[in-house]
Amino acid sequence: LAKTTQPISMDSYEGQEVNITCSHNNIATNDYITWYQQFPSQGPRFIIQGYKTKVTNEVASLFIPADRKSSTLSLPRVSLSDTAVYYCLVEDKIIFGKGTRLHILP
Amino acid sequence: DVKVTQSSRYLVKRTGEKVFLECVQDMDHENMFWYRQDPGLGLRLIYFSYDVKMKEKGDIPEGYSVSREKKERFSLILESASTNQTSMYLCASSPTRLAGGPPDTQYFGPGTRLTVL
Repeated sequence: LAKTTQPISMDSYEGQEVNITCSHNNIATNDYITWYQQFPSQGPRFIIQGYKTKVTNEVASLFIPADRKSSTLSLPRVSLSDTAVYYCLVEDKIIFGKGTRLHILP
Repeated sequence: DVKVTQSSRYLVKRTGEKVFLECVQDMDHENMFWYRQDPGLGLRLIYFSYDVKMKEKGDIPEGYSVSREKKERFSLILESASTNQTSMYLCASSPTRLAGGPPDTQYFGPGTRLTVL
């Protein structure tokens, strides 16, 4: 069972790039890495998913090194509206954990 | 767009009452999930279902039961509500994962904040 470890909280400023790293030392060969975002008073929503190397979409980038024991979610030029909790999941078990509470400051 | 709706945003019940939380999805998804979210504990899976009339226990099923009589509807039942079940309850749905493919995205409802007095 792959367990993830990510920082409990992070602060950053508007316009900065934010990188949130997730450790998953026991990731299995078939596991994908998925990130969700949760705004206050809402349910989580999917941001990005990857298996290896780099994935980019309109919201974020996901960097996965060759050994896949960690992954980094990168949010370019954050704004106040990016304040949220970010969850790293390693399938195939549905475990959200506590996530990383990101607070963007003006 | 996938839509997952939950019957109430806020609910207040008394200890010992039987409580029903309803969740409906409109995208013909096979999988449905119930989570609870508490400060400092993140999201914890209570029950999930991969098909009609099918259910599986999650990490914290004690004190809860579920019902899935129709594909689009998944109900969470608190047989005798207790104060420690005061929480935010989140429902989600997802399509069936294709063999060898990536996990499917879960789509969440807005949540029901339940207070048990």
